[in-house]
Amino acid sequence: NAGVMQNPRHLVRRRGQEARLRCSPMKGHSHVYWYRQLPEEGLKFMVYLQKENIIDESGMPKERFSAEFPKEGPSILRIQQVVRGDSAAYFCASSRDGFSGNTIYFGEGSWLTVV
Amino acid sequence: ILNVEQSPQSLHVQEGDSTNFTCSFPSSNFYALHWYRWETAKSPEALFVMTLNGDEKKKGRISATLNTKEGYSYLYIKGSQPEDSATYLCAFMIYNQGGKLIFGQGTELSVKP
Repeated sequence: NAGVMQNPRHLVRRRGQEARLRCSPMKGHSHVYWYRQLPEEGLKFMVYLQKENIIDESGMPKERFSAEFPKEGPSILRIQQVVRGDSAAYFCASSRDGFSGNTIYFGEGSWLTVV
Repeated sequence: ILNVEQSPQSLHVQEGDSTNFTCSFPSSNFYALHWYRWETAKSPEALFVMTLNGDEKKKGRISATLNTKEGYSYLYIKGSQPEDSATYLCAFMIYNQGGKLIFGQGTELSVKP
């Protein structure tokens, strides 16, 4: 049973370009979460999605960031017009549902470097 | 602002020592407390999900307890081994915001042979 798969693992973008990070949840999981780890900081919640729905985007920056989890295919975190401050590790996680007792499984992360 | 505090920040022990860490979280609006083990360049590995006051969970040499009334959880490692070296993270889930984890900064454990 494959875990949470993220790609690319490493991405380099120039300032102003777009970054797209993909996440395939574990089999049978319909809930996906994105977290960000900025340099020298802990993991911070960004967004919580179910298939075709955004449940909670309270941690998403107001501009340039968007996320989707379509009916078919992986979840995508999209960062438009990247700036140096977007350089971070972006982690995707998934769970079977949103109930309290369920384990949330994490992927290995995607490292974005903006030059 | 909801804060999750972990202590100590780092810990260096000898192989065979037993150790424990603390996670402090808000005692109101509690939904769940998650523990993860995180090695560099790997994904955080889920250890425990704890939901009830007084919960005790065990996985091999690692165990955890939960006190939701006073807002703390302890993680214990019995007979530490070098392969236990990692960062241990706890994360608090707020009632009615299922899915959103608020992480502590972690306790970095180093076990010397």
